[in-house]
Amino acid sequence: DTGVSQDPRHKITKRGQNVTFRCDPISEHNRLYWYRQTLGQGPEFLTYFQNEAQLEKSRLLSDRFSAERPKGSFSTLEIQRTEQGDSAMYLCASSPGLSGSGRGELFFGEGSRLTVL
Amino acid sequence: GNSVTQMEGPVTLSEEAFLTINCTYTATGYPSLFWYVQYPGEGLQLLLKATKADDKGSNKGFEATYRKETTSFHLEKGSVQVSDSAVYFCALKLAGGGNKLTFGTGTQLKVEL
Repeated sequence: DTGVSQDPRHKITKRGQNVTFRCDPISEHNRLYWYRQTLGQGPEFLTYFQNEAQLEKSRLLSDRFSAERPKGSFSTLEIQRTEQGDSAMYLCASSPGLSGSGRGELFFGEGSRLTVL
Repeated sequence: GNSVTQMEGPVTLSEEAFLTINCTYTATGYPSLFWYVQYPGEGLQLLLKATKADDKGSNKGFEATYRKETTSFHLEKGSVQVSDSAVYFCALKLAGGGNKLTFGTGTQLKVEL
């Protein structure tokens, strides 16, 4: 399978614990995105990378959230001191950038569901 | 700010019925418009797109026309199938926005025999 993969698929944690999610994009894609989706809502943009550079962060990304993409390949999203309001599906997507017929298309993984008790 | 408004679901139809899912947007400038679909247990995938006014995107029997005058991008299909049951998301991307998408809340479609 050469699509976007995310790990873990499900994570249950207690309030105050730290969690980390990993995303492996499609190998030739240089852009990687993180979105958050809560029940009954559409995905909300959190941040994106072009290669290893983090180019934009949403106001939704509080100081407890940090994302990295070392070497421009896989990415991690860490949430420190989790709160119940962090419970959501965290989606990763990748794209080949803005050129060519793929312009604007994001390829999404199946998501990592976080439940904070 | 930029936003997308979709009709609320769930929408329940019989197989072979005509489908319309309404989508309107608010944006600065001239965005590109998209419909993404999420089948049960799968990730979101692009269904169709339109990049300028009056463009029609189409795929798998679905169509949507970019209407600048009404700021709309309604999704239509002439004859739905049970396999079309999914959640449909309308989205926009601004020029120069780095492929960042703004999504609507999604509309669940249920197609019954």
